[in-house]
Amino acid sequence: AQKITQTQPGMFVQEKEAVTLDCTYDTSDQSYGLFWYKQPSSGEMIFLIYQGSYDEQNATEGRYSLNFQKARKSANLVISASQLGDSAMYFCAMREAQPFSNSNSGYALNFGKGTSLLVTP
Amino acid sequence: ETGVTQTPRHLVMGMTNKKSLKCEQHLGHNAMYWYKQSAKKPLELMFVYNFKEQTENNSVPSRFSPECPNSSHLFLHLHTLQPEDSALYLCASREGYEQYFGPGTRLTVT
Repeated sequence: AQKITQTQPGMFVQEKEAVTLDCTYDTSDQSYGLFWYKQPSSGEMIFLIYQGSYDEQNATEGRYSLNFQKARKSANLVISASQLGDSAMYFCAMREAQPFSNSNSGYALNFGKGTSLLVTP
Repeated sequence: ETGVTQTPRHLVMGMTNKKSLKCEQHLGHNAMYWYKQSAKKPLELMFVYNFKEQTENNSVPSRFSPECPNSSHLFLHLHTLQPEDSALYLCASREGYEQYFGPGTRLTVT
């Protein structure tokens, strides 16, 4: 079953404006973590921001902030003052403690399908 | 410079070939991962190594064979692949919560 849902396949935003990328998740774990990654056309996944399920404050990293609404199981990414270099795919991901039932493998990430963001001049 | 490197960056191979993808991390991390990213699909976790211990993923076909000789190196050996195996293969390492990704190998199976 899909655990991470990103409902926006593509988004447009004008330079210097703010944009919100949506992410909802499903888990029965009490302790979990939520991540946002950026993937430019070069392919590399770049870590942007992390939110732990017990963190009381919404995470912020520079122009990135995470709007964490635990009861709604949503973890939307807000990018303020968009720049042309922000054009990329953005992935929401959730940390799973045990990705495989027959192992003690440590943490792995479960990703959404991503949102393509295009920043226009 | 992310600290995680992957070679080659691009690979074209026939269905009868044998090739290997290499991942190297200089971050001192103890967990390493292989992910597959196909067009229009979420990243799929393939294998995890934690302190060099492999985790089996039964849904990964045996034509993909991982190897982790030490905590800094991770290989993915490929043989008799299918065209649907064409994808971007991403390696990652982890310490704590954050995973650090390499640039990926773009694989095309002809």
